[in-house]
Amino acid sequence: GAGVSQSPSNKVTEKGKDVELRCDPISGHTALYWYRQSLGQGLEFLIYFQGNSAPDKSGLPSDRFSAERTGGSVSTLTIQRTQQEDSAVYLCASSQGNSPLHFGNGTRLTVT
Amino acid sequence: RKEVEQDPGPFNVPEGATVAFNCTYSNSASQSFFWYRQDCRKEPKLLMSVYSSGNEDGRFTAQLNRASQYISLLIRDSKLSDSATYLCVVIPASGGSYIPTFGRGTSLIVHP
Repeated sequence: GAGVSQSPSNKVTEKGKDVELRCDPISGHTALYWYRQSLGQGLEFLIYFQGNSAPDKSGLPSDRFSAERTGGSVSTLTIQRTQQEDSAVYLCASSQGNSPLHFGNGTRLTVT
Repeated sequence: RKEVEQDPGPFNVPEGATVAFNCTYSNSASQSFFWYRQDCRKEPKLLMSVYSSGNEDGRFTAQLNRASQYISLLIRDSKLSDSATYLCVVIPASGGSYIPTFGRGTSLIVHP
């Protein structure tokens, strides 16, 4: 079956521009997670959705970051006024209950 | 103390060697445990779940020690293809909010 799908796979943007990253989870998975990973670093938790609600958005680094999920499916992570320190790989994962997470291929964001 | 800690390595071993990694966690109420493998510039992929009684999958053995709050991964007869970063993942039991916490990973290099 289809896995977690993320788009775009690569995004290069100029500092100050807004970007939208998309995640399409595995069908039927109610939980959706966003993480980011900077080069050589571990995974940093950003936000978690259960259905369409976000019980935990404690990891969002600043108010420039926001995310939504509609129809219990697709999620969009938006970064406004991008900064160079936002450059990283943004990973989306989905799961059902506390079963293992399944990751998408990630979006590699480069802010120039 | 970090929630999930791993020795970053690298562990540099010859083919055929046996190697073990540990991962400690701080939340005693943690409920579910997993090992993931991450290749360079790729997304993490589930290697195996970790069960209380310990479990084996081919050359890989995972164990959980709740009293000392650590999990371990043993790899026997190492292959060149085992070279990767191994991430431990801990999911707490906290009011139904399942936020998986990742260790920063242990790097394994298997050489001929």
